[in-house]
Amino acid sequence: DAGITQSPRHKVTETGTPVTLRCHQTENHRYMYWYRQDPGHGLRLIHYSYGVKDTDKGEVSDGYSVSRSKTEDFLLTLESATSSQTSVYFCAISESWAGGPNYGYTFGSGTRLTVV
Amino acid sequence: EDKVVQSPLSLVVHEGDTVTLNCSYEVTNFRSLLWYKQEKKAPTFLFMLTSSGIEKKSGRLSSILDKKELFSILNITATQTGDSAVYLCAVWGYGKLTFGQGTILTVHP
Repeated sequence: DAGITQSPRHKVTETGTPVTLRCHQTENHRYMYWYRQDPGHGLRLIHYSYGVKDTDKGEVSDGYSVSRSKTEDFLLTLESATSSQTSVYFCAISESWAGGPNYGYTFGSGTRLTVV
Repeated sequence: EDKVVQSPLSLVVHEGDTVTLNCSYEVTNFRSLLWYKQEKKAPTFLFMLTSSGIEKKSGRLSSILDKKELFSILNITATQTGDSAVYLCAVWGYGKLTFGQGTILTVHP
């Protein structure tokens, strides 16, 4: 979507290696989110950020860490990738803590990660 | 912990049929409920509902929220093959969206 980009779009990595996914926004939104999507589970929240250096865990945070040193960038790191982390990862941004009038989130295009 | 449950998980219909998708929720600090459509890429926004009993409509799609019974329905009339997608329900609670598992809708010609 316009204003939010994820990189890489696809990645294949080996078990045990560290992996970093990047989310970059040009909307100057305060709130950023990382979700993973797996069949039968919808989107599950991994971590989110409510400002530079302010982050919190979501429901499936084990094995993941995040960093936000600038408003525009939110990085998701898999410290030691496992096959269970094979998934599609979506970044999302929001201008409001309370949802606001802007339809909730703006989503990135997703990153398909395969851990072999 | 916030929870959103959708039913059915999958649905197969023929063009012209009408379908009803269900979403129930248990969310603290409820602010709004959203419906998204997803077709092999990022979800796209359909509706946001904040008040009970007010139906939102967009063409053949409509949705309504019941805040007393904690559920919402999404109706699609005169379905078309282009309606085939995953439909996601999400509820905005305290600072984040919680998503349901999604309903996979397949519309056959």
